[in-house]
Amino acid sequence: KNEVEQSPQNLTAQEGEFITINCSYSVGISALHWLQQHPGGGIVSLFMLSSGKKKHGRLIATINIQEKHSSLHITASHPRDSAVYICAVSKGAQKLVFGQGTRLTINP
Amino acid sequence: SQTIHQWPATLVQPVGSPLSLECTVEGTSNPNLYWYRQAAGRGLQLLFYSVGIGQISSEVPQNLSASRPQDRQFILSSKKLLLSDSGFYLCAWTVRDPNTGELFFGEGSRLTVL
Repeated sequence: KNEVEQSPQNLTAQEGEFITINCSYSVGISALHWLQQHPGGGIVSLFMLSSGKKKHGRLIATINIQEKHSSLHITASHPRDSAVYICAVSKGAQKLVFGQGTRLTINP
Repeated sequence: SQTIHQWPATLVQPVGSPLSLECTVEGTSNPNLYWYRQAAGRGLQLLFYSVGIGQISSEVPQNLSASRPQDRQFILSSKKLLLSDSGFYLCAWTVRDPNTGELFFGEGSRLTVL
C-alpha cells in the first residue's frame, strides 16, 4: 500500500461543478502539499498545510491530522482547472512522498 | 522575484550516451535543491537533494549522479543512459526543507532513451 493515496484517480466534470479531491496518508507528517501539474508537465505549488484550512481564490484545502486526510476543493470549476493534482507529504529530512495524482478534466 | 530554469526541455538520447540536465535558480541564496523523476503514469520520485555547494544526497541507487558546482546550480548527469532512465525530470527548490517551506518546480525535462 502506498504511503499516500489519492482518490479519485480520474475525475471528469462539467464546468461550474464543485470538485473534491481526496488524499489519505499513513505516516506521520510535518506538512502536506497540494500541487498542480499542467499538461506540459510544469508543476505549481498550490498549498502547504500543517493544520486547518487554507483558501486561495476558488481553491480550498483542508487537512485533518487526526484522521490523516486532506481534501482539495475547487468551487465553480472551469476548463482551465483541468490538470493533474498531486498530494505530497513531508516526512522530515528533505523527504516528500507523493501521491499518484488525480487527473481532473472539466468540460465546457 | 525567484525563478528556476531547467534545460533542455526535451531530449532524445540513444542507450549508452551521456546525459546532462541543468537547473539554475535566480533571486534567492542558499536554496535547497532537488531532482525528481516522474516515470510515465507514476508519481514523483526524489532522486537527489542538496542543502549546499558540493553536498549531494542520493535517495535511490541508480545510473545517475548529481552535482552542485555553484550555490544556485544543480546538474543531473549520467555517463551511460539506460532505457529505464526515460522519464520526466523535474528540478525543484525551497528556501527551507519541505517540512516548512513551499516547494518550487522547474519546467521539467522530458528524456526519451531509445
